Amino acid sequence: KNQVEQSPQSLIILEGKNCTLQCNYTVSPFSNLRWYKQDTGRGPVSLTIMTFSENTKSNGRYTATLDADTKQSSLHITASQLSDSASYICVVSATDSNYQLIWGAGTKLIIKP
Amino acid sequence: DGGITQSPKYLFRKEGQNVTLSCEQNLNHDAMYWYRQDPGQGLRLIYYSQIVNDFQKGDIAEGYSVSREKKESFPLTVTSAQKNPTAFYLCASSIFTSGTVQFFGPGTRLTVL
Repeated sequence: KNQVEQSPQSLIILEGKNCTLQCNYTVSPFSNLRWYKQDTGRGPVSLTIMTFSENTKSNGRYTATLDADTKQSSLHITASQLSDSASYICVVSATDSNYQLIWGAGTKLIIKP
Repeated sequence: DGGITQSPKYLFRKEGQNVTLSCEQNLNHDAMYWYRQDPGQGLRLIYYSQIVNDFQKGDIAEGYSVSREKKESFPLTVTSAQKNPTAFYLCASSIFTSGTVQFFGPGTRLTVL
């Protein structure tokens, strides 16, 4: 069964600290992996999208890595800010189609001052 | 401003009533989608449309209906046949349905009283 599992479920860190969120998937075949940021009560916003051949991709203080062999991805946030408080969602696509995405449940990140 | 708008932000419905959620985009995107988000779960696809006057069922279409009479608009009707409609509903669009980033609206929170 195609699944995307994220860990931890929730995380609290102090402002200025770094953190890493994990995503494991069993989706096969594999087309691409996406990370979204979702503020509470808002729609998700795309952070990165990686295909099979890409190992790492950055978007400002956000860096995503992908290991297609182990079917794992991570999202590293550097020098966290209060505005980073949100849910971070990992999404995997078995095909090139946006209507066949497998969504993770997300990691809820809280940044404390 | 370019983007996707959803209305209303909050919606309350009595059991047995149909309600329609609005979704409008001015991004000139061909593809549009409706998702449902429940606490602790990944997004689930309700319906999607690749082009005007065409739409397809997603994973959880039962109890929902849509129309796509204009490129900019993709309204979702939650019918009385939907047994558990209380959820956060998200509309999204993308240039095409393949390999392109989805842009999300701010969401509508539907509560059945």
